[in-house]
Amino acid sequence: DTAVSQTPKYLVTQMGNDKSIKCEQNLGHDTMYWYKQDSKKFLKIMFSYNNKELIINETVPNRFSPKSPDKAHLNLHINSLELGDSAVYFCASSQDRDRYGYTFGSGTRLTVV
Amino acid sequence: AQSVTQLGSHVSVSEGALVLLRCNYSSSVPPYLFWYVQYPNQGLQLLLKYTSAATLVKGINGFEAEFKKSETSFHLTKPSAHMSDAAEYFCAVSDGYNTDKLIFGTGTRLQVFP
Repeated sequence: DTAVSQTPKYLVTQMGNDKSIKCEQNLGHDTMYWYKQDSKKFLKIMFSYNNKELIINETVPNRFSPKSPDKAHLNLHINSLELGDSAVYFCASSQDRDRYGYTFGSGTRLTVV
Repeated sequence: AQSVTQLGSHVSVSEGALVLLRCNYSSSVPPYLFWYVQYPNQGLQLLLKYTSAATLVKGINGFEAEFKKSETSFHLTKPSAHMSDAAEYFCAVSDGYNTDKLIFGTGTRLQVFP
């Protein structure tokens, strides 16, 4: 009964590969997000979707492409992986950000070698 | 633009001592403020939030925070630290009315010594 679930939890891959991270929420929230947490723990938003529509795209390289097949899912596909893409990627969802904040998934640790 | 500043990337306290984690915000609109906690290898969990009701906000695990508009602060406190409080703490502010974005501070790592 996990609220926001991400798969995989760990991902180790070589430079140049293409990989995807999946996210699903069972909270009925309308908005979903991808955040990147770097090695210094800094959290930066990458994308947000509201009911399958892209709302925020924060100057992320176009090698990163989010896909939202329905409002309960927001996947992240990354092409031509680079060393600098190594980070922890968090999915989150919200219904009313100001009243309730976000609910986060447990993260996907991506290591590019 | 909205932003938060967390003073002190590391805070160390003894078990049973007062915990004080500092957060100052900058916002052009009435802010909504949040504190999140991240335990090792886990996601972020909401501790408490300020949504313009009471200025003293109580959260989970005995934490509380006070919104002080005059000081543009939202510091997190706990009267008596427990070993299980050791974690990374993030302050966040909502990005105004136009987006659903939360802007996070750089985090404060809390260490608790026996």
